Amino acid sequence: AQRVTQPEKLLSVFKGAPVELKCNYSYSGSPELFWYVQYSRQRLQLLLRHISRESIKGFTADLNKGETSFHLKKPFAQEEDSAMYYCALGDRGSTLGRLYFGRGTQLTVWP
Amino acid sequence: IAGITQAPTSQILAAGRRMTLRCTQDMRHNAMYWYRQDLGLGLRLIHYSNTAGTTGKGEVPDGYSVSRANTDDFPLTLASAVPSQTSVYFCASSDRRTGGYTFGSGTRLTVV
Repeated sequence: AQRVTQPEKLLSVFKGAPVELKCNYSYSGSPELFWYVQYSRQRLQLLLRHISRESIKGFTADLNKGETSFHLKKPFAQEEDSAMYYCALGDRGSTLGRLYFGRGTQLTVWP
Repeated sequence: IAGITQAPTSQILAAGRRMTLRCTQDMRHNAMYWYRQDLGLGLRLIHYSNTAGTTGKGEVPDGYSVSRANTDDFPLTLASAVPSQTSVYFCASSDRRTGGYTFGSGTRLTVV
């Protein structure tokens, strides 16, 4: 069964510090992993997609199939990074194409 | 601007009342979804539709129904609202050719 685990509900760092939001997944096929960000009471926005291998707003994420992880990293956190972050798993093996979401990590960056 | 429009933005509803949340997209995406977002639980899929004329149940379908009469519209109906349906509801669509997902801005529903 597909599952996405974000072990940290809350994460706080100071501005300029490195930040890592953890995401582990279980999936029997070839996964498609995403990170979505939700700023206060706004819609979810796509932050990263593993197949694009790009860096958005200084964030990067590497898919580690051996550890089944897709951790989100940024070397120097900014206050505007404070938001809820969701890791999501795409199921390209099905005809549905739905996303399975983790429970989210609320990141707070202190000044 | 292409995207998804949800209405209403927020609603306070008396328990037992019927309510339809509207969702319209103008991107011609085949697949559409309804998720509910609850603190500590993340987003859970309620119902989905692969294409116009077809729908299916997600993880938490009880108490909800959907229809997909055309490509653009995917309304979610609560037949008889209960307080446990208090949540933020997000509509989303995806283009299976590119895998891109687009979310609406959400409907904040409070059932009292």
